[in-house]
Amino acid sequence: EVQLVESGGGLVQPGGSLRLSCVASGFAVTNNYMSWVRQAPGKGPEWVSTTYSSGDTYYADSVKGRFTTSRDNSKNALYLQMNSVRADDTAVYYCARKRGDHHWCFDLWGRGTLVTVSS
Amino acid sequence: EKVMTQSPATLSVSPGERATLSCRASQSVGGNLAWYQQKLGQAPRLLIYGASTRATGIPARFSGSGSGTEFTLTISSLESEDSAVYYCQQYNDWPPVTFGGGTKVEIK
Repeated sequence: EVQLVESGGGLVQPGGSLRLSCVASGFAVTNNYMSWVRQAPGKGPEWVSTTYSSGDTYYADSVKGRFTTSRDNSKNALYLQMNSVRADDTAVYYCARKRGDHHWCFDLWGRGTLVTVSS
Repeated sequence: EKVMTQSPATLSVSPGERATLSCRASQSVGGNLAWYQQKLGQAPRLLIYGASTRATGIPARFSGSGSGTEFTLTISSLESEDSAVYYCQQYNDWPPVTFGGGTKVEIK
């Protein structure tokens, strides 16, 4: 079955760190453009980062310098390292796959993992 | 960064009736627009891309139209399972892609 499964969310204090994981099944992460998209409570989704199949990664200005994405090809997994977190980073974090053509939209999403930043 | 504005915020429609949702871009995005459906507690699901092309497995009652700055998602005959929040997303200006704030469709 083709799916994405996120994990690693939880409660973290402001200024702290957290690492999210996304494990893919049924396709290779390395052959696709993989993204993190977050959604704060009651808000629309917000793009966070995209990692190209080449490994190049682009970040939203709101997380640049604080968040880092990496991959583990042997585990077919994508990770989001979140450092210096702030209250406005509170959201459900989704792993998503971009369509395999020139349309920059997301045809596969995980169920998400909730990150709460609070003291 | 292009801002996407959706209207109305909430739409209440009876089963079998037509639902029309709007999405406006702050600048032209050409035909580079997608629509998603998000049911309570679930991830978004891609409905439409390229402004008017249905994604795999999406019922024909969902249709998209528009270009430039004005877009519409139409549900031709609403079913109870269509109760959800619908989001538009532009991808003309990458990065970033940006999403609208959503329209909640309620069943009367």
